[in-house]
Amino acid sequence: AQSVAQPEDQVNVAEGNPLTVKCTYSVSGNPYLFWYVQYPNRGLQFLLKYITGDNLVKGSYGFEAEFNKSQTSFHLKKPSALVSDSALYFCAVRDRGSARQLTFGSGTQLTVLP
Amino acid sequence: DADVTQTPRNRITKTGKRIMLECSQTKGHDRMYWYRQDPGLGLQLIYYSFDVKDINKGEISDGYSVSRQAQAKFSLSLESAIPNQTALYFCATSDYADTQYFGPGTRLTVL
Repeated sequence: AQSVAQPEDQVNVAEGNPLTVKCTYSVSGNPYLFWYVQYPNRGLQFLLKYITGDNLVKGSYGFEAEFNKSQTSFHLKKPSALVSDSALYFCAVRDRGSARQLTFGSGTQLTVLP
Repeated sequence: DADVTQTPRNRITKTGKRIMLECSQTKGHDRMYWYRQDPGLGLQLIYYSFDVKDINKGEISDGYSVSRQAQAKFSLSLESAIPNQTALYFCATSDYADTQYFGPGTRLTVL
């Protein structure tokens, strides 16, 4: 079975400071990992994904995530937060060997304070 | 125009009523999905379809049914709506690399 955990329901950060949104996963094989963002009253938008290769993945809007196999983590990061980054962020995983669909985390509400 | 559209965007209905939510996509993908979003629970998969003849139950399919009318259309039905089906419903489509593209959502309220 595959699962994903986002241990923080809420993350607050000051504008201009670096931000991290945490994600850990559990799969029996190798993972595909994804980050999505949801703005109020909108559907989810794709940010970035890890399939294979370089552990540091760069995505949209200056976000990046690092795949850490030993810690089974895929944390989302940005060097300098903007107020417009305030949104709900979802991590998702698919076990390449055994699953046909994604499992999403419960989401982390990011608030960037001016 | 949006790549994934959902109708209606908002719907209020009564317990026991049948309701259909519709989804259309113009991305040309074979794979389509229906999710439900509840606060604090993230997204839960209701049904998914990898082509017109392939329909699969997700983790919370009880009380729901789907129809894949064409590659571009995937509808979700609640045969007899109940209040705990009040939620935000999303349709999505994906390419073979699993990147999913979501519709704007349907907010359903069952009284």
